[in-house]
Order: sequence, then structure tokens, then C-alpha cells
Amino acid sequence: EPEVTQTPSHQVTQMGQEVILRCVPISNHLYFYWYRQILGQKVEFLVSFYNNEISEKSEIFDDQFSVERPDGSNFTLKIRSTKLEDSAMYFCASMGQGARNTEAFFGQGTRLTVV
Amino acid sequence: AQTVTQSQPEMSVQEAETVTLSCTYDTSENNYYLFWYKQPPSRQMILVIRQEAYKQQNATENRFSVNFQKAAKSFSLKISDSQLGDTAMYFCAFMKGVGNQFYFGTGTSLTVIP
Repeated sequence: EPEVTQTPSHQVTQMGQEVILRCVPISNHLYFYWYRQILGQKVEFLVSFYNNEISEKSEIFDDQFSVERPDGSNFTLKIRSTKLEDSAMYFCASMGQGARNTEAFFGQGTRLTVV
Repeated sequence: AQTVTQSQPEMSVQEAETVTLSCTYDTSENNYYLFWYKQPPSRQMILVIRQEAYKQQNATENRFSVNFQKAAKSFSLKISDSQLGDTAMYFCAFMKGVGNQFYFGTGTSLTVIP
């Protein structure tokens, strides 16, 4: 069964460092997302990406964040200068096109710890 | 803006019994999609069941079924014959249209007791 894969599974970084979280969405999907979940809290939307551009972003997704689909298969989330409050589980998701494809498939997540 | 509310932070059920998880939402949209996702300790989000708002018939998937009340903006999940593997966090989610973001509730932690 096709799946969304994320790497790394766990990343520890020092405050102020840049991190890149990587995702390989399902190959024929067209919509891509990043969500985050601070421990014990709700899942929060960060950004959605369609047709090689950001289609929607939340207030959390400020200038420190960027997304890219550099080679047609990977979908990355970059945090330019990490803060302690960026510590969270980051989930990538992808979705196909059309009314029949309303399921968002999630990756297993990357646990980011900023120290 | 859309909001999703899950008023039960924690629930427990005896194995083989039935449990219902509550979810309400607020939207001005007429057509939308509702979902229940399961997040086991492995942390990956797995789709349990989905409902299109334009469909009056409640969705069912094996032991999982929903009670969708559009006028009341209520979308509860019923798990029948609960199994130990059902122990997980359950999130209710709303999506305005295909490709739009998901709005998640705060989750209900369900424990199935042997």
C-alpha cells in the first residue's frame, strides 16, 4: 500500500540552527501539507502546497518557515532559525485529486526537539 | 473560521463493549467533509472513517460508524465490539473541500480495558 514517508524520525537541534524536515508524498498525489503537534496538544495546520506553490498557510507559518518541492518527489519543510517552542511532532500529509480522494495520508512524523 | 470541538478528553471502555466519541463543529459551509482519525502510540495518523456532508446516510466501516447530524453540526463515532487495538487518541477533523486544510479537534484518548 502506498504511504507517505518522513525523515528523520527524530531530530535534535540547537536553538537558532536551521533544520530541514523531509517528506516523500504518495507519488500521484497533488496536495501536500505540513502539520505539527506539540506534545499533548491538538494537531495544527501549518501550510498546504499545490501546483508548486503555497495554497494556504496558518499564522504559525511565519518567515522562519519555508516549503519546497525540489525534485518532484520530495516535499521539505525548512525552519530557518529554530526556537524552543518549535519542538513538536511534524507531520507531512498528501492527498489525491477529486471528490473521491478526500483522505489525507499522513506520514509517521518527525519529532523535532530544540535544545 | 471552522472549529471542531471534542468535549471528552479521555474515555475508557471494556473490551467487546460499545463506545461513542462525541464531536461538534462550527461552519457556515454547506458542503464539506468530516473525518475521524486514529493516532495510536506509534503516532501515525490513520483514517478511521469519513463522511461527506451532502450524504444523508451515515458512513460505516466494519465496527466503526458515525452519527452525522448536519443541522446540529454533530459527528459522533461509535466503535462496536471494542478491541485492545482500538486504544489510541481519536481526532475528529473537518475539511471544507478537496485540497483544503484539515481542522482538528483536541482529541479523545480512548483506552480499551481487557
